[in-house]
Amino acid sequence: AQSVAQPEDQVNVAEGNPLTVKCTYSVSGNPYLFWYVQYPNRGLQFLLKYITGDNLVKGSYGFEAEFNKSQTSFHLKKPSALVSDSALYFCAVRTLSGNTGKLIFGQGTTLQVKP
Amino acid sequence: EADIYQTPRYLVIGTGKKITLECSQTMGHDKMYWYQQDPGMELHLIHYSYGVNSTEKGDLSSESTVSRIRTEHFPLTLESARPSHTSQYLCASSERLAGNNEQFFGPGTRLTVL
Repeated sequence: AQSVAQPEDQVNVAEGNPLTVKCTYSVSGNPYLFWYVQYPNRGLQFLLKYITGDNLVKGSYGFEAEFNKSQTSFHLKKPSALVSDSALYFCAVRTLSGNTGKLIFGQGTTLQVKP
Repeated sequence: EADIYQTPRYLVIGTGKKITLECSQTMGHDKMYWYQQDPGMELHLIHYSYGVNSTEKGDLSSESTVSRIRTEHFPLTLESARPSHTSQYLCASSERLAGNNEQFFGPGTRLTVL
């Protein structure tokens, strides 16, 4: 069965410190991987995606993610966290099989950045 | 400006009422989706559409129905709302065919059924 796991319900970091939000996946075939962010009472905003090529993907707002095929992971990272980064983050995956365009979302990780 | 819109943003309604949640996008996308999300929780796909006159059930069973008469419009209807329908509903769209296209989300409708 295809699935995405975000093992941490919440991640707490101090402003200025590096942050990592973890994501692992289990899918058949090569995955397309995405990260989205959701601020309170808002829809999801696209941050970045991995399709193919360089394993390190750079996205919006200074975020980046590293695709690791052997560990089936796609962790989101930022070198220096901002208080404004505090939000709910979702990892998502889509496989190449079929063309439904459906995404499988993880359960979400709340990022709390303290001043 | 190309965007995706949802109305209403908030809706409080009594049990048994018929409701329609509106979703429109001006990006010319063929694919559209409806997700249900409980507060702070993961998203569950309840409906999607490949294009005009195409509607499919998603991964989570839902008593709602959808229609796609126009490319830009993908409304969701509940014939008889119940408290168990209380949730946030997110609409999304993406370009046709290419599986690597990200989905663009609307701001959501928070539905409360009393």
